[in-house]
Amino acid sequence: KQEVTQIPAALSVPEGENLVLNCSFTDSAIYNLQWFRQDPGKGLTSLLLIQSSQREQTSGRLNASLDKSSGRSTLYIAASQPGDSATYLCAVLNEKLTFGTGTRLTIIP
Amino acid sequence: NAGVTQTPKFRILKIGQSMTLQCTQDMNHNYMYWYRQDPGMGLKLIYYSVGAGITDKGEVPNGYNVSRSTTEDFPLRLELAAPSQTSVYFCASRRGVAGGPRDEQFFGPGTRLTVL
Repeated sequence: KQEVTQIPAALSVPEGENLVLNCSFTDSAIYNLQWFRQDPGKGLTSLLLIQSSQREQTSGRLNASLDKSSGRSTLYIAASQPGDSATYLCAVLNEKLTFGTGTRLTIIP
Repeated sequence: NAGVTQTPKFRILKIGQSMTLQCTQDMNHNYMYWYRQDPGMGLKLIYYSVGAGITDKGEVPNGYNVSRSTTEDFPLRLELAAPSQTSVYFCASRRGVAGGPRDEQFFGPGTRLTVL
């Protein structure tokens, strides 16, 4: 059974800093991995999708990496802004999408 | 192109009542999913479908039922509501081209359900 873990559960950093969020998974036979953002009381917004054959994917200030062999992905956020404050979820796809419990990120102005 | 839509947005039920959460997607996706998210927790899969007429249980199916008579619609039925079913329910769809560059899941806005 696939298990997805995200560490840390919560993170606070001053505005302008670069930061890394971690995601690990137990079964490396995945189709892809998706990073989502969720604002309080809202739905999920897809940030990045990394196919199993890719090593990384970039969108603006976001960069996600994938190391299937070690069962790890990281989400790098450059030059953080208060608007980046949200919960970030990673999810790995086999037939089904298995979610981590998320990292609650707070950017301090 | 509306994506994934869910109704209602909010609902309060009494214990023992029944209701159906509606989910519709207009992207012609084969795969559809129902998740629940409890406060401070990640999403747990309730049921999923790989195409019209085909459904399967996820991680937490007890107390729920689904049907998939068309590609577009995937309703979730609660037969006898219990306080443990208080949660936010998300529907999602996916094209299903496994591992391809467009094989991502799209989520609806959610239904916030309270059972009292």
